[in-house]
Amino acid sequence: DTGVSQDPRHKITKRGQNVTFRCDPISEHNRLYWYRQTLGQGPEFLTYFQNEAQLEKSRLLSDRFSAERPKGSFSTLEIQRTEQGDSAMYLCASSFLTGLEDTQYFGPGTRLTVL
Amino acid sequence: LAKTTQPISMDSYEGQEVNITCSHNNIATNDYITWYQQFPSQGPRFIIQGYKTKVKNEVASLFIPADRKSSTLSLPRVSLSDTAVYYCLVGLPITGTASKLTFGTGTRLQVTL
Repeated sequence: DTGVSQDPRHKITKRGQNVTFRCDPISEHNRLYWYRQTLGQGPEFLTYFQNEAQLEKSRLLSDRFSAERPKGSFSTLEIQRTEQGDSAMYLCASSFLTGLEDTQYFGPGTRLTVL
Repeated sequence: LAKTTQPISMDSYEGQEVNITCSHNNIATNDYITWYQQFPSQGPRFIIQGYKTKVKNEVASLFIPADRKSSTLSLPRVSLSDTAVYYCLVGLPITGTASKLTFGTGTRLQVTL
């Protein structure tokens, strides 16, 4: 399967713990996005990379959140000192920007539950 | 900010054509319109993307009027497996604008026999 993959698929943690999620994009895709989705809502943009450069972060993104894409391939999203409000599905998407077309393909998501 | 508005839910019988409309009054000149399908506990799945007029692929058609303030996803002859939430996404993350990527709350399509 050459689609976007995410690991783990599910994560249960206690409040105050740190968690890290991994996203492997479609090979050769130069853009990688992170979104958060809560029940009944559409995905909410968090941040995105073009190659290894983090080009934008949502102003809604807490300082407890950090993302990296060190070699322009896979990416990690870390949440420090988790809070119950962080419970959500974290989605990764990748795309290959050509001209003005930038179709995002999503992974299966990582569901985080903070107890 | 290209806010999108969709009907919260729609019902259809199997075999019917379903049209879901998304309003995006503040769409910007360079914004593309993309539709996704999402099943419970899965990531959104790309359906179709367009900029203007009509786009068609093997699963759906996308109609965009000249003013581009709305778009309509057309699903021909739906089946039970098309029961899902459908989102329109408006925006293109030219540097500095990714935060304007806007998913609406989606339209929950229920297909029955």
